[in-house]
Amino acid sequence: DAGITQSPRHKVTETGTPVTLRCHQTENHRYMYWYRQDPGHGLRLIHYSYGVKDTDKGEVSDGYSVSRSKTEDFLLTLESATSSQTSVYFCAISELRRDGYNEQFFGPGTRLTVL
Amino acid sequence: SQQGEEDPQALSIQEGENATMNCSYKTSINNLQWYRQNSGRGLVHLILIRSNEREKHSGRLRVTLDTSKKSSSLLITASRAADTASYFCATDGIASGSRLTFGEGTQLTVNP
Repeated sequence: DAGITQSPRHKVTETGTPVTLRCHQTENHRYMYWYRQDPGHGLRLIHYSYGVKDTDKGEVSDGYSVSRSKTEDFLLTLESATSSQTSVYFCAISELRRDGYNEQFFGPGTRLTVL
Repeated sequence: SQQGEEDPQALSIQEGENATMNCSYKTSINNLQWYRQNSGRGLVHLILIRSNEREKHSGRLRVTLDTSKKSSSLLITASRAADTASYFCATDGIASGSRLTFGEGTQLTVNP
């Protein structure tokens, strides 16, 4: 599992409340990603990071912000949760293979329900 | 829109049969990867095929890539009940940096 943990694993919250999801990795990987997974949409990239304090938007970044103050932690924040943000959230890291290509390893996921 | 699109969306077969899943994509790629997801778990990398390769094997997995048609297929031979999972293709686009773009997945059910 490439030493990736996510917390919490499950969360139920109410519309309008802030929510922060944490991704923690133990192997000093430079690249980290946040995805959401919804039926009929596969995995969609929310934000990613290519180093401490270096982040960029993915295809579905509206309503989300991220921070990476340490190599090992990548935080995803929903400033004011909405029901449309009910989803399963996956964190991933990217590891450079011997052939020079990147392969991603995923955390176990966080199931978020916004009521 | 999704870069990778798999078909079929769902596939149900008997143990011992072969399962074929297809993926189409839209832009030029460095490589294409296939991932597997068991229910309630994160994705796990299965195999990577480079843009200059046409076919690759790994155990019971066979992947083909046709860059002229922008398509790939994943064949699982002699399927087992334990192969039941969702399978996703992911493209590493030439202009995408270190990002992958995932398709919507194929749900494979292998009946014992």
